[in-house]
Amino acid sequence: QQQVKQSPQSLIVQKGGISIINCAYENTAFDYFPWYQQFPGKGPALLIAIRPDVSEKKEGRFTISFNKSAKQFSLHIMDSQPGDSATYFCAASDPGSSASKIIFGSGTRLSIRP
Amino acid sequence: GAGVSQTPSNKVTEKGKYVELRCDPISGHTALYWYRQSLGQGPEFLIYFQGTGAADDSGLPNDRFFAVRPEGSVSTLKIQRTERGDSAVYLCASSLRGSGSTDTQYFGPGTRLTVL
Repeated sequence: QQQVKQSPQSLIVQKGGISIINCAYENTAFDYFPWYQQFPGKGPALLIAIRPDVSEKKEGRFTISFNKSAKQFSLHIMDSQPGDSATYFCAASDPGSSASKIIFGSGTRLSIRP
Repeated sequence: GAGVSQTPSNKVTEKGKYVELRCDPISGHTALYWYRQSLGQGPEFLIYFQGTGAADDSGLPNDRFFAVRPEGSVSTLKIQRTERGDSAVYLCASSLRGSGSTDTQYFGPGTRLTVL
């Protein structure tokens, strides 16, 4: 059972456009929702994260929108740049659990066309 | 200081062999995690250490997999009798406090394991 579902699997956006990646989760115990960015040959790196007590968080060109009642959240990348081309993972965690382990979505491969 | 480092970066082995993968976490981080990432998938949790003890090993797929962290710093993931299905990138992450916190988990570059 996939606890965090992510779409689309791949996405192509023109430079300067808006990239949008969507995720949904099942477990209402999740209380922390990070997004990770991964470049080929590298490990994932934290991009931005949100707690469910806020509906939106913005850091530079990156914004998370969160809908707690629908158990959905999304990442918006404004003014997308070629350097943003990477794989993005949404994730969820229950900080109160024994491990605070991260449950990752299946990833979105983003390509920004110049 | 330096980030999380993992060695080797690549490991090719034959089916049935034993392998060890090493992780050096960020200095001072008490929590250490191992994840496995199959091609085209997100990382999947394997095991979590708080200090020297394995506090959660619920993600280990079977008893061929074992991990240690004897001094609360470096960790080694050990795989016995490797199978072709074990081929994946094994990622290590560390965080300052671990369980009960939202501390950032910092990932290493991973070890790509190929079982022929």
